[in-house]
Amino acid sequence: GENVEQHPSTLSVQEGDSAVIKCTYSDSASNYFPWYKQELGKGPQLIIDIRSNVGEKKDQRIAVTLNKTAKHFSLHITETQPEDSAVYFCAASFTGGFKTIFGAGTRLFVKA
Amino acid sequence: DGGITQSPKYLFRKEGQNVTLSCEQNLNHDAMYWYRQDPGQGLRLIYYSQIVNDFQKGDIAEGYSVSREKKESFPLTVTSAQKNPTAFYLCASSTARLGGNEQFFGPGTRLTVL
Repeated sequence: GENVEQHPSTLSVQEGDSAVIKCTYSDSASNYFPWYKQELGKGPQLIIDIRSNVGEKKDQRIAVTLNKTAKHFSLHITETQPEDSAVYFCAASFTGGFKTIFGAGTRLFVKA
Repeated sequence: DGGITQSPKYLFRKEGQNVTLSCEQNLNHDAMYWYRQDPGQGLRLIYYSQIVNDFQKGDIAEGYSVSREKKESFPLTVTSAQKNPTAFYLCASSTARLGGNEQFFGPGTRLTVL
């Protein structure tokens, strides 16, 4: 069945450093790849997404890259800040699809 | 102010009791979802609904039931048949449009079985 693998499960960085989270998906029909941030005790919120006709997308300190051939996509956070500390989920879905497959999550710690 | 709400935030239940979790959205979204979240396991899909009066089982539907009588509402009942119901439950909604769909999540309900 469809699967999204996410690595690492835990990531600790120093404030100001960059953080990279990587995901791999199995369903070649997937063409929409969102990233969600979940703070403690809250629901996930979309922070950035990318569609299959684009290789990279940036929004201030965050960027996402997509390699459709290798079925890989990654989240890059630059100049990390303590408020970036949270759990991040990658996900994959496809055109007209109602089901989204989520990765297992990455807990990011940014040390001040 | 559009959004998706869940109630209650915390819920305690005795073993053998059914309990219903509320989910309401005013985003005019067609699709709604229920997920279960356990520590370190990400989000697992329980049920989803694409349209009023229609819903489909997700990956872990056993011991749960839902209804979709109104577009705005998608309540989840955790029945006594669910063997391990203690978890964080998240409701989400999305537009049913082509090209993939951002999901908007509620704040969650933490259910504890005593």
